[in-house]
This record gives sequence, C-alpha cells and structure tokens, in this order.
Amino acid sequence: RKEVEQDPGPFNVPEGATVAFNCTYSNSASQSFFWYRQDCRKEPKLLMSVYSSGNEDGRFTAQLNRASQYISLLIRDSKLSDSATYLCVVNLPANAGGTSYGKLTFGQGTILTVHP
Amino acid sequence: DAGITQSPRHKVTETGTPVTLRCHQTENHRYMYWYRQDPGHGLRLIHYSYGVKDTDKGEVSDGYSVSRSKTEDFLLTLESATSSQTSVYFCAISRGVSYEQYFGPGTRLTVT
Repeated sequence: RKEVEQDPGPFNVPEGATVAFNCTYSNSASQSFFWYRQDCRKEPKLLMSVYSSGNEDGRFTAQLNRASQYISLLIRDSKLSDSATYLCVVNLPANAGGTSYGKLTFGQGTILTVHP
Repeated sequence: DAGITQSPRHKVTETGTPVTLRCHQTENHRYMYWYRQDPGHGLRLIHYSYGVKDTDKGEVSDGYSVSRSKTEDFLLTLESATSSQTSVYFCAISRGVSYEQYFGPGTRLTVT
C-alpha cells in the first residue's frame, strides 16, 4: 500500500464548479499535512496546511480526519487559473521513535483542468 | 519567494560522467532536501540535511551523494550518471517546526 494515495484524475470541470479531492495516508503517526499545487514544468508550491479542526483560505477548504486517515481539499467557484496538479503531502516520522526531521511524503497528485 | 536558486537549470550529460547540482538559499534555513520527480512516481526524497555537515539518506539515495559545507549551499552529486537518473531535481528548504517545505525552480537533467 502506498504511504499517501490520491485519485490521479484527471478532473475536468467548468468554471464556477465545486470540486473535491481526497487523499488517504497509511501511517497513523503522521504529524503534519499539506496541500501543494504544481503547475506544468514548475516547482510544487504550498497551497495550504491542513489542521485537525479544518481550515479555509478563500475558495479553498481543507479537512483532516485522523481516525480515518483521510484528507480532503474542496475548491469552490473554480477558476481557469486553478488548473494544476494538486499534491497531498504528509509528514511521516523518520524512525520508529517518532522523531522527524521534517521529511515529507508526497502523493502522486490529482490533475485538475478547469475549462471555460 | 523562499530565496532558493538551483544551478544549472538544464543539463544534458553522457552516461558515466560525474554531475553536481547546486542548491543555494539566502535565508539561513537549517533543513534542506533534494528530491527527484518522475512520471508515475511523484516526488521522491534523495537526501536531506539538518545542518552543516549533517546529512542523511532518503528513499532513493543509491547513486547519489550530497555535501553541505555551509548553511546556504547543498550539493547533490551523481558520481557516474546513468540514464535512469534522467529526471527533474528539486531542492527544498524547511522554515520551521511545522515542516512545510518550499521548493527551488528545479533542474532538468538528461543523461544520454
């Protein structure tokens, strides 16, 4: 089983649509969670961190369910500029003792295309 | 902008030649990372550093070595490049205890 799994898509949605991405992680000791976006031939960029209580940043809402080991990202009122690959990212402990040097594990990404 | 640069940005080299990629940061962050990104595999950690002269292996470290002699520079070396090391290489830094990472613009390496 992969440590971080995402539906690769692609998701093709019209402008203005609401779209949701899901992600599951396998290690219950995971400590921090993030969504990154990556445009074609560019570096990944942090979109938002994901907090236990859920958090919102404008049109983007992230949710974390630790019991189910599940993370989600909701994008409302999609824009053409939202077209990108969205990466689910989890901070896993570096060793059995749970000490971490901030090593992240990336899902393979979900491709989103927003069309006019 | 996290103040990270990578050089070179593009390189074509022949099998068996040594290659060194450089990552430079301007903000004095302790943690630095090297990843490679390939279709079907996503981003995979090669090596990371948690201070000057302190480095450790990631999940795909075979064939790679790193050095960090000063805080701002983290070098990735392919001692004898192979075609399987054709990839896009990203450097990243971590700012703090929440562990979010910020990436450089990447180096596109082709080994022929």
